[in-house]
Amino acid sequence: AQSVTQPDIHITVSEGASLELRCNYSYGATPYLFWYVQSPGQGLQLLLKYFSGDTLVQGIKGFEAEFKRSQSSFNLRKPSVHWSDAAEYFCAVGATHYNKLIFGAGTRLAVHP
Amino acid sequence: SQTIHQWPATLVQPVGSPLSLECTVEGTSNPNLYWYRQAAGRGLQLLFYSVGIGQISSEVPQNLSASRPQDRQFILSSKKLLLSDSGFYLCAWGDRADEQFFGPGTRLTVL
Repeated sequence: AQSVTQPDIHITVSEGASLELRCNYSYGATPYLFWYVQSPGQGLQLLLKYFSGDTLVQGIKGFEAEFKRSQSSFNLRKPSVHWSDAAEYFCAVGATHYNKLIFGAGTRLAVHP
Repeated sequence: SQTIHQWPATLVQPVGSPLSLECTVEGTSNPNLYWYRQAAGRGLQLLFYSVGIGQISSEVPQNLSASRPQDRQFILSSKKLLLSDSGFYLCAWGDRADEQFFGPGTRLTVL
C-alpha cells in the first residue's frame, strides 16, 4: 500500500539558514509526488510537484525538491529561509485510483529571527 | 481561473446535532472532488471522493456522509455529531493531472 513518512514532526531554523524537510514514500510504481504548505488555519497551497523527467524540481517561494528513486525520497529544500516560511509542510504521493493523494503527517517549521 | 469555496469557515456544534458543510468549485467542469479531515497535530485523512454527480466513495467508516447533488457542489453531512468529529475539514478538487487544489477549510468544534 502507498504511504508517506515525514520523519520530522517539528523543525526550528534561524532566518537565513538553509532548510531540508525529509519525505520518504512507499509506492509500487513511478510516483507522482507533491509538497504542500499550510499556514495556520488556512488551506493547502501547492509548492511543487514531480511527475517525471528532471529529478530536481523547482517550485514557488524559492523551494526545490529532489526525487531519489533509490532512496524512495522526495526531500524539500530552500537555501535561505525567511520568517514567512513558518508553516506546516506536507508531502504527498498520488495514488493510482481517481487521483487520490496520500499525505504524510506533516512537518511544522518554526523560524527564529 | 478556478476557485473553490467552503462554508462556513468555523462552526461550533453540540454533540448529537446535525452537520452540513458545503464546498463549491468555480471555473472547471466535471472535477474530481475530495473531503479531507485534519485532526489537531495530525496529517490529512481522505474521507470521501467523487468522480461525478451522485458518485461517492468512502475511504474510512465513520459518522459522516457526503453527497454531490451538482457537478461542482460537494456536501459533507452528519445526522448526529460526535466529539471525535472535531477537526479541520478541507475540500479539494482535482484535475486530470493528479494535482489537487484545496479550499480554505472549515474549523469544526464539537462540544
